[in-house]
Amino acid sequence: GENVEQHPSTLSVQEGDSAVIKCTYSDSASNYFPWYKQELGKRPQLIIDIRSNVGEKKDQRIAVTLNKTAKHFSLHITETQPEDSAVYFCAASISGGSNYKLTFGKGTLLTVNP
Amino acid sequence: DVKVTQSSRYLVKRTGEKVFLECVQDMDHENMFWYRQDPGLGLRLIYFSYDVKMKEKGDIPEGYSVSREKKERFSLILESASTNQTSMYLCASSLGIGTGTNIQYFGAGTRLSVL
Repeated sequence: GENVEQHPSTLSVQEGDSAVIKCTYSDSASNYFPWYKQELGKRPQLIIDIRSNVGEKKDQRIAVTLNKTAKHFSLHITETQPEDSAVYFCAASISGGSNYKLTFGKGTLLTVNP
Repeated sequence: DVKVTQSSRYLVKRTGEKVFLECVQDMDHENMFWYRQDPGLGLRLIYFSYDVKMKEKGDIPEGYSVSREKKERFSLILESASTNQTSMYLCASSLGIGTGTNIQYFGAGTRLSVL
C-alpha cells in the first residue's frame, strides 16, 4: 500500500520567516495530495490540496509544489505568523478511483516564535 | 458547512469494558472513517466504510470493530478495552467515489482513557 514520509517532525521559525515541510510518497498511482492543519485542541482541517496534473498551487501565503518524477511534494508558508503554529499533515490518495482512502504522514509541529 | 459530530469529547473507561464511540455527519457523505491519533505516529486508519453496512479494515483494526446501520452514523466499538487503546479517536467523512474529491472532514475527536 501507499507509504507517506514527512519531514521534519518539528520546525521552529521566527515570525516573518518562511517554513517548508516535505513529504514523499511510494505509490506512483497516487494523484491527490492534501495538506491538513491541526491547531492545538482542534480538529484537522484542509488548508490546500494539489492534483497530479498541476505542479504548483498557491493560496495567499501558502503554496504546495509537486514533483511526480521524484514522488515528493512540499508545503511552503511565507511570512509566517504566530497563528500558523500547528501540526501539519500531508497525505496522498488516488482520487476518482476505487481507493478513496488518505494515507497520512506523521505530522510536523510548526512553532512560529514572535 | 459540513458537520461531523462525535458524541463525546472525553471518555474514561475500565479495562475489559465494551466501549462505543459514535460519529454522525449531516452532509449525506458516502464515506466515513475512524482514525487513531497518537503523538509522533500521526493519523492511523482503523476502519472505514464506503456505504451503509459496508466496511473495510484500515491499517490498525486489531481490537476494534465498526457498525454503520445508517448512512449518517458510523460507530467504533472496542470489544474489550485495554490500556493500549488509550488515545485520541477522530472520525471523518468524505463525499464519495466518482465525485472527484477525497476531501475528508473531521470531527472534534474523542479522547479515550482506559484505566
